Amino acid sequence: GAVVSQHPSRVICKSGTSVKIECRSLDFQATTMFWYRQFPKQSLMLMATSNEGSKATYEQGVEKDKFLINHASLTLSTLTVASAHPEDSSFYICSASGLAGAHTDTQYFGPGTRLTVL
Amino acid sequence: TQLLEQSPQFLSIQEGENLTVYCNSSSVFSSLQWYRQEPGEGPVLLVTVVTGGEVKKLKRLTFQFGDARKDSSLHITAAQPGDTGLYLCAGRGGSNYKLTFGKGTLLTVNP
Repeated sequence: GAVVSQHPSRVICKSGTSVKIECRSLDFQATTMFWYRQFPKQSLMLMATSNEGSKATYEQGVEKDKFLINHASLTLSTLTVASAHPEDSSFYICSASGLAGAHTDTQYFGPGTRLTVL
Repeated sequence: TQLLEQSPQFLSIQEGENLTVYCNSSSVFSSLQWYRQEPGEGPVLLVTVVTGGEVKKLKRLTFQFGDARKDSSLHITAAQPGDTGLYLCAGRGGSNYKLTFGKGTLLTVNP
C-alpha cells in the first residue's frame, strides 16, 4: 500500500513552454501533498504544500505564479511550471500523506519527474 | 527554522565494512525518518523513529533516535554494493507537518 505515482517521469521542452506534472496517490486518500525540487546529488527542497480543496502554501523564495499547484481531489495534485526556462530544469518530486500506514502523517514519495528545459 | 546537519556528506567504502551516518540538530523533533534514494527515483522510507532512545533494526541497518530527540544515527553492518545510494534523514517538529531534510549522505560501496 501507500503508492504514489508521478507523470510524466521525464519531460524535455523548449524554453517558454508550460509543463504540467501530475502526482497521484493510488491506494489512499492524500489530505496533503508536497512538492519538492532536487538538484543533482543534493537533498530535497520543499517548494510548496497543498491541501485538497484549498490554496497551496509556498515556501519562501518560491514563485507562486511560476509554479502553479492544484490539488483538486484527494488523490491528485498537479504542478505546472509556467513558461519554463533552462534554470527550471531539475528533478521534481511529490509526496503525499493521509490515512495510510501506521503513522498517518508519514509522507510517501513519488518516483520523481525529470524536467529538462532547452 | 529547524535545521538538520547530516554527516558525512560523502562516504566511499569497501564491501564488508561498517559505517555510521549521523543526523544532528539543536531542535527537538517529534519524529524522524530515514530514506534511501537511488538516482532518478524518489526517496523510499526506511524507518520512522518516534520515541527518544528508540532503536530500530532493519536487517543490517540499525537506526537510533537520541534520548532528547534532537539527533539520530544510521549504522550499516557489513555494507554491500546494493546499499549504495543517497541516505536522507528528515525530521518533523511538533505540530508542524512539514519535513526538514538533512543534506544527505551519498554512500558508495565498492565490491
